[in-house]
Amino acid sequence: EPEVTQTPSHQVTQMGQEVILRCVPISNHLYFYWYRQILGQKVEFLVSFYNNEISEKSEIFDDQFSVERPDGSNFTLKIRSTKLEDSAMYFCASRGDRYQETQYFGPGTRLLVL
Amino acid sequence: DQQVKQNSPSLSVQEGRISILNCDYTNSMFDYFLWYKKYPAEGPTFLISISSIKDKNEDGRFTVFLNKSAKHLSLHIVPSQPGDSAVYFCAAYDPSGSRLTFGEGTQLTVNP
Repeated sequence: EPEVTQTPSHQVTQMGQEVILRCVPISNHLYFYWYRQILGQKVEFLVSFYNNEISEKSEIFDDQFSVERPDGSNFTLKIRSTKLEDSAMYFCASRGDRYQETQYFGPGTRLLVL
Repeated sequence: DQQVKQNSPSLSVQEGRISILNCDYTNSMFDYFLWYKKYPAEGPTFLISISSIKDKNEDGRFTVFLNKSAKHLSLHIVPSQPGDSAVYFCAAYDPSGSRLTFGEGTQLTVNP
């Protein structure tokens, strides 16, 4: 069964450093998402991406964040200058098309900012 | 953001019995609802969904009920199995965007 994959599974970084989280969405899916879950809190939407551009972003997704689909398979989330409060699980998700409502999630990347 | 709320942080049931997980929402614009199951150190796994035009959807042991007037949905698992032990998230779509809004999750423990 097709699945969303994410790398790395764990990332430890120093405050102020840049990190890139990588995702391979399900093949032929058209909509891509990033969510995060800070320990003990809800899963929160960050950004959605369609047709090579951001379609929606939350108030969390400030100028420190960016997303890119550099080729036909990868979808990346970059945090330019990490802060302690960026420590969280980051989940990538993908959805088939506008008529398919289900978003399928990857296993997540646990980011720890020291 | 309290648009989707799961008031019970945990639920414990005996194997073979029914598990009922509840979810309330406040945004009347939500038109599609999903339940996800999550094991530790894994991503949410899609379980079952329901459109706002329906009041019930069933898939094997899992049934989701939607009460639009009460802005309430519930997930029934019957019979419950120890492998069902996980955190269950309710999530909702706002058609004006494509984001999912999640509840806090309910930890279900099914005891053998």
